[in-house]
Amino acid sequence: ETGVTQSPTHLIKTRGQQVTLRCSSQSGHNTVSWYQQALGQGPQFIFQYYREEENGRGNFPPRFSGLQFPNYSSELNVNALELDDSALYLCASSYRQINEQFFGPGTRLTVL
Amino acid sequence: RKEVEQDPGPFNVPEGATVAFNCTYSNSASQSFFWYRQDCRKEPKLLMSVYSSGNEDGRFTAQLNRASQYISLLIRDSKLSDSATYLCVVNMYSSASKIIFGSGTRLSIRP
Repeated sequence: ETGVTQSPTHLIKTRGQQVTLRCSSQSGHNTVSWYQQALGQGPQFIFQYYREEENGRGNFPPRFSGLQFPNYSSELNVNALELDDSALYLCASSYRQINEQFFGPGTRLTVL
Repeated sequence: RKEVEQDPGPFNVPEGATVAFNCTYSNSASQSFFWYRQDCRKEPKLLMSVYSSGNEDGRFTAQLNRASQYISLLIRDSKLSDSATYLCVVNMYSSASKIIFGSGTRLSIRP
């Protein structure tokens, strides 16, 4: 086990709602990255947080936002949910921005 | 052109075979490189980091070729348990991270 935890495991929302996903990083790690993975595709980079600051962002609209807390845990917030937001959301922690990442088990989000 | 490209496979090989995957990337300034494996409906798990000098972990060997902008993974003496999707990952870090996963190569090992 990596020591990275995510909650909740599964979530069902309706279009237009807002959702918050949570991630606890592995002990000693100060960097958290978030990914969206649709079925049959590789994970897509949403953004990375390093020491509570956003440090890189993929091609996701501003309704995807995040936070990192002083204990290096993190949240992903998605506003105005769309049907295409249905996916597995993964977080990964690492020691520094370019080092190996260790993934949590993911949150499976379904938008109806 | 995709920033990171992998052959999607599937590769279907017999147990004991040697199999090799390549992954090309577009940004010559890319900083770090990795191989992950992902089992069905599970999270990706780190297989190994990739260095220019090459690195080996048991039956697995990874190599980085910066001149030709590709990374490779070699699996020797394949086992049934090696069946999975293999993902290459490139961090095109330049003052901020830009982490790109390949779409994955499916490997199936048959008895």
